[in-house]
Amino acid sequence: DVVLTQTPASLSVAPGQPASISCKSSQSLLHGTGFTSLYWYVQKPGQSPRLLIYEVSNRFSGVPDRFSGSGSGTDFTLKISRVEAEDVGVYYCMQGLHLPTFGGGTKVEIK
Amino acid sequence: EVQLVESGGAVVQPGGSLRLSCVASGFAFKDYAMHWVRQVPGKGLEWVSFIAWDGTNAHHAAFVEGRFTISRDNSRNSLYLQMDSLRPEDTALYYCAKGPNRVSWAFDYWGHGTLVTV
Repeated sequence: DVVLTQTPASLSVAPGQPASISCKSSQSLLHGTGFTSLYWYVQKPGQSPRLLIYEVSNRFSGVPDRFSGSGSGTDFTLKISRVEAEDVGVYYCMQGLHLPTFGGGTKVEIK
Repeated sequence: EVQLVESGGAVVQPGGSLRLSCVASGFAFKDYAMHWVRQVPGKGLEWVSFIAWDGTNAHHAAFVEGRFTISRDNSRNSLYLQMDSLRPEDTALYYCAKGPNRVSWAFDYWGHGTLVTV
């Protein structure tokens, strides 16, 4: 199985400040057809997970542009340029190369 | 608007069975892969099962292989998970999730989940 290691496990950020979450994979997530199968989800308190970023760097429909994803191969990053109160939740990376696996999650709180 | 509504969760004894259902609306269900993902309350996410758009290809996580069976009825816009030989460690909130295309291993929309307690 592909193992995803997310850091940090938790993050406390003042409103308006940036935040960054790392996701490292145990193997390359580059698919044979050329895309990289790495996704980011957020689960806000009491809600179902919601897709934020697909294929490393593409924002899903309705996702604010303060969210961005980057990386390649085995190292990936989710950045929030200016954290807002509504961004509180647990962020997960996920690989969809085969038999999906998730990172352990990063809990984002507001200072 | 994409909607996924799960049902069928219940309290069941170890060794028992349950059948979860997920009714989809707001998109052409027959054209998309579907998944089940579970979450122990307060813990992380764990993929359970995948089925391709036409039901001809399905996979299960190793920890449910031989006990759970995913299926779909495209005429009813419905996804199912037959859960047999249930164990206490299967206790979780089970989400139905839509793939972004016919065979994708990823998910773009999730339901609200149905709780299974063993």
